[in-house]
Amino acid sequence: EVQLVESGGGLVKPGGSLRLSCAASAFTFRSYWMHWVRQAPGEGLVWVSRINGDGSDTRYADSVMGRFTISRDNAKNTLYLQMNSLRAEDAAVYYCAREHCTTSTSCYFDYWGQGTLVTVSS
Amino acid sequence: DIQLTQSPSFLSASVGDRVTITCRASQGISSDLAWYQQKPGKAPKLLIYATSTLQSGVPSRFSGTGSGTEFTLTISSLQPEDFATYYCQQLNSYPPTFGQGTKVDIK
Repeated sequence: EVQLVESGGGLVKPGGSLRLSCAASAFTFRSYWMHWVRQAPGEGLVWVSRINGDGSDTRYADSVMGRFTISRDNAKNTLYLQMNSLRAEDAAVYYCAREHCTTSTSCYFDYWGQGTLVTVSS
Repeated sequence: DIQLTQSPSFLSASVGDRVTITCRASQGISSDLAWYQQKPGKAPKLLIYATSTLQSGVPSRFSGTGSGTEFTLTISSLQPEDFATYYCQQLNSYPPTFGQGTKVDIK
């Protein structure tokens, strides 16, 4: 069974850093593009970042550009999100998600992790 | 960015009711729309992709229609386990965006 398990969340002060991990299992990790999506308490889902299969191409939401870095280690079947210069508005549950496409534009997130909570507070 | 607007944002319904949620895109996205269900404290779960294709294991009471800029998710007969928040999503163009969500509550 496909599994995505996030870790690394916690309490961090404004301006601080945190690295999230997402351990993948039961599928060929390197074959899939992966995403991070976040959800602030009581709010909706917001896309954060995406990385392609070999890690050579990344995209970011404007709100995190220049502060967050997505990466992956295909040998370890693990996705990462390095978060620097954290702000109060970055506080959220962070989910990793696997992208699947039926055509070049018909894509969706077919598996999600359980999420890891990031709290930004002094 | 493509904006997705769901309506209603909240609806109250009874078991057995037929429920319809609409998702409107700010520009055309062909049929590249997905629907997710999220229960409190849980990750979103894929229900429908490519507007109308049911994800494996999803009950047939869920259905999706639409194209271009207007899409609907219908639950033909609401069951107790369907009370949740529903989100539409497009990945037709970057950045991927979600609707603001529709919370389906018990009347």
